[in-house]
Parts: sequence; C-alpha cells; structure tokens
Amino acid sequence: AQTVTQSQPEMSVQEAETVTLSCTYDTSESNYYLFWYKQPPSRQMILVIRQEAYKQQNATENRFSVNFQKAAKSFSLKISDSQLGDTAMYFCAFMTSSNSGYALNFGKGTSLLVTP
Amino acid sequence: DAGITQSPRYKITETGRQVTLMCHQTWSHSYMFWYRQDLGHGLRLIYYSAAADITDKGEVPDGYVVSRSKTENFPLTLESATRSQTSVYFCASQGGFATEAFFGQGTRLTVV
Repeated sequence: AQTVTQSQPEMSVQEAETVTLSCTYDTSESNYYLFWYKQPPSRQMILVIRQEAYKQQNATENRFSVNFQKAAKSFSLKISDSQLGDTAMYFCAFMTSSNSGYALNFGKGTSLLVTP
Repeated sequence: DAGITQSPRYKITETGRQVTLMCHQTWSHSYMFWYRQDLGHGLRLIYYSAAADITDKGEVPDGYVVSRSKTENFPLTLESATRSQTSVYFCASQGGFATEAFFGQGTRLTVV
C-alpha cells in the first residue's frame, strides 16, 4: 500500500516569514510523482507544485519550493515571504502507475494560518 | 462553460434514498476521479476511471456506484444513502497520467 503522511495538522506563520510543511510517503515504486495542492476557504483545490521522482532538481514555483529527499521519502513544501492569501489547507499527494492503481493519493492535510 | 463542473453544489437527502452526484468536464480528459473529504481524513478516493467504460475502485468504494458511458461525464451514485456518507464530494479530471488534476467545486451532501 502507498501512503502519504503529513505530521503537522496545523501550522501558523507571520506574514513575510518562511514556513515549511512536511510530507513523507511510502512506496516500493521507482517512478512516481509528487504534488502539493492548496485548498483555500473557497474549497477549490489548486495545484501548487509538482515533482517528478526521477528528477533530482527540486521544483520551484515563485515563492513555493520543495525539498525532495528520495532516499528518505520526504517531500516538504517551503513557502517564502508568506502572504495572507496563503492561508489554506495544504495537501501532499502521490501518484504512480502500478497494479494498485493510478490515482492521486492524498495526505490528511496541514491547515496553515498566515497572521498579520 | 469550459472546465469541470459538479452538480448539485449542495444536497440534503434522507437515509435510504438513492442520490446521484453529477460531474462533467469539457476538456475530453481521459482520467476522472471521485473523492470524499472528511475532517481528519483528507481526501479519500472512491472510484476512478482511465477512459470511457473503464472504472476502478479506490480506497472507500462501498455504497457507491459509478459509470462512464461518455468521456466527459462521470456520475457517482449512492445506492442507499447512509449518515456516514455525509461529506463533501470532489470530482477531478486529468488530461494525461500524472499531469495536473483539475477539481470541481465540490458537492456538500448531507444525509439525514
């Protein structure tokens, strides 16, 4: 079974500061994909960043970057210069193609609050 | 309108009734998914589909039925609704394997 674990149910950060959200996963597959999705209070799911496991370079999207440690099966999200609009639920997700399926498997989420 | 839409947005139904949640996407994406979101559980996969007439069970399929006769539609049916099926349901689609998944706005279902 493939699992995604987010160990921080809630986090808080002040505006303009940096925060890191943790994610670990478990798989026996060698090729897979990792994602971070954001869900603001509007409930809409929005892709933040995507990482392909065979790429060693960490993905970056503006203020969002990841620290992908393949051997440790860790995929943390760093948000720099936090903004009030970053307040949301953040989900780490994993996807592979195997006999066990090909859908996105999500962690339970981290609720991030950005304060003034 | 282009995109992925779910209907209804809100639904209240009684225990034992059959209810169908609709999902429609305009991109002709091959992959479609149904998730339920509950506090403390994140998003859990109910069913998914790689193409028309191909569906697979996810983590929590019991009590649900899906069909995919057309690429653009992926309805989810609760055959006999139970209170434990009170949840927010999300439909999603993907154009290709491991590409960005696009989500609908969600359907909040309450079973009384």
